[in-house]
Amino acid sequence: NAGVTQTPKFRILKIGQSMTLQCTQDMNHNYMYWYRQDPGMGLKLIYYSVGAGITDKGEVPNGYNVSRSTTEDFPLRLELAAPSQTSVYFCASSGLAVGHEQYFGPGTRLTVT
Amino acid sequence: AQSVTQLGSHVSVSEGALVLLRCNYSSSVPPYLFWYVQYPNQGLQLLLKYTSAATLVKGINGFEAEFKKSETSFHLTKPSAHMSDAAEYFCAVIGYNTGNQFYFGTGTSLTVIP
Repeated sequence: NAGVTQTPKFRILKIGQSMTLQCTQDMNHNYMYWYRQDPGMGLKLIYYSVGAGITDKGEVPNGYNVSRSTTEDFPLRLELAAPSQTSVYFCASSGLAVGHEQYFGPGTRLTVT
Repeated sequence: AQSVTQLGSHVSVSEGALVLLRCNYSSSVPPYLFWYVQYPNQGLQLLLKYTSAATLVKGINGFEAEFKKSETSFHLTKPSAHMSDAAEYFCAVIGYNTGNQFYFGTGTSLTVIP
């Protein structure tokens, strides 16, 4: 199993550009999540999904969009990139059982200039 | 609501010394608690988790954590630090809400001095 994979690993965007961060998991997990990590701030939940076709906002959703058309994929869309979106983005997935741990991808380092 | 607080954003220990990373939780119901480790430029990896089966939880790489309800704590320890333990450590609690959402602490950066 590859677990959770993310692409790209690095990206530099200009202000106002858009991009999609890709996330795929091969563990047949129902739950998937997007986090951003900023220095000294821990991880903040952007969006999450409890299954194909179902998504919901997390703590910091502004400036982002998601979709979940399949169990495996959970892309994160950035529209009109801003410097405040410079961060490291992590995708994670989890099984249904309460107390199930989350499995993380390797992250995407995004810089907006 | 569930939350965790990690005391000390930076901890330095000598190689071979005890590692103690502190985590206190807030939860109105019995919590599920986790410790994750993040090595430079990598994702988070599960070290151990508490799911009420035993108060002393053993994890990977010689780490363990003890759940203390009276102190609302879940501190992470390792008897003897190794250079390879240098990393960022995150404590997390699961929220009793839709989607098994986690609430992470702000992290503790561990430096191991040779």
